[in-house]
Amino acid sequence: NAGVMQNPRHLVRRRGQEARLRCSPMKGHSHVYWYRQLPEEGLKFMVYLQKENIIDESGMPKERFSAEFPKEGPSILRIQQVVRGDSAAYFCASSTGDSMNTEAFFGQGTRLTVV
Amino acid sequence: AQSVTQLGSHVSVSEGALVLLRCNYSSSVPPYLFWYVQYPNQGLQLLLKYTTGATLVKGINGFEAEFKKSETSFHLTKPSAHMSDAAEYFCAVSPASGGYQKVTFGTGTKLQVIP
Repeated sequence: NAGVMQNPRHLVRRRGQEARLRCSPMKGHSHVYWYRQLPEEGLKFMVYLQKENIIDESGMPKERFSAEFPKEGPSILRIQQVVRGDSAAYFCASSTGDSMNTEAFFGQGTRLTVV
Repeated sequence: AQSVTQLGSHVSVSEGALVLLRCNYSSSVPPYLFWYVQYPNQGLQLLLKYTTGATLVKGINGFEAEFKKSETSFHLTKPSAHMSDAAEYFCAVSPASGGYQKVTFGTGTKLQVIP
């Protein structure tokens, strides 16, 4: 049973370009969470998705950022017109979504560098 | 509302010495508490968690933590540090029955083990 798969592991983008980060949850998991980790900071919640639905996007910046989790395929975190401040590690986690669920499993992250 | 405070962003111990990483939390409802470990360029791995029941929780790699409600603490300990314990450790809190999406992470403590 493969774990949470994120790709690419490293992504370099020039200012103004678009970044697409992909996350394939663990088999049997239908809930996905995206977090951002800035240097010397903890993980900050961005968005929580179920298949075809955004449940909670309270941590997402209002502009340039979007996320989806289609019926088929991985979850995508999309950052348009990237700026240097978007440079960070982006982690995806997945869970079964049980209301009493107390654990999510993390991917290895995508490290985005904006030059 | 909930928050986590990890005292000491960097902790150094000698190999074989006691490891103590401090975590205090704030939560308006009964909490679930977690400790995660992150190795360089890796995702987060769950070390241990407290949900209900016994307040002393044992995790992987010889770590344990004790939930002390009166002190709002959940400190992580290991009797004897090993070189392989060098990593960053994150304490996290979520409201009981709130589901994983409500997890709040601390800013992390980097553990250095000196030979």
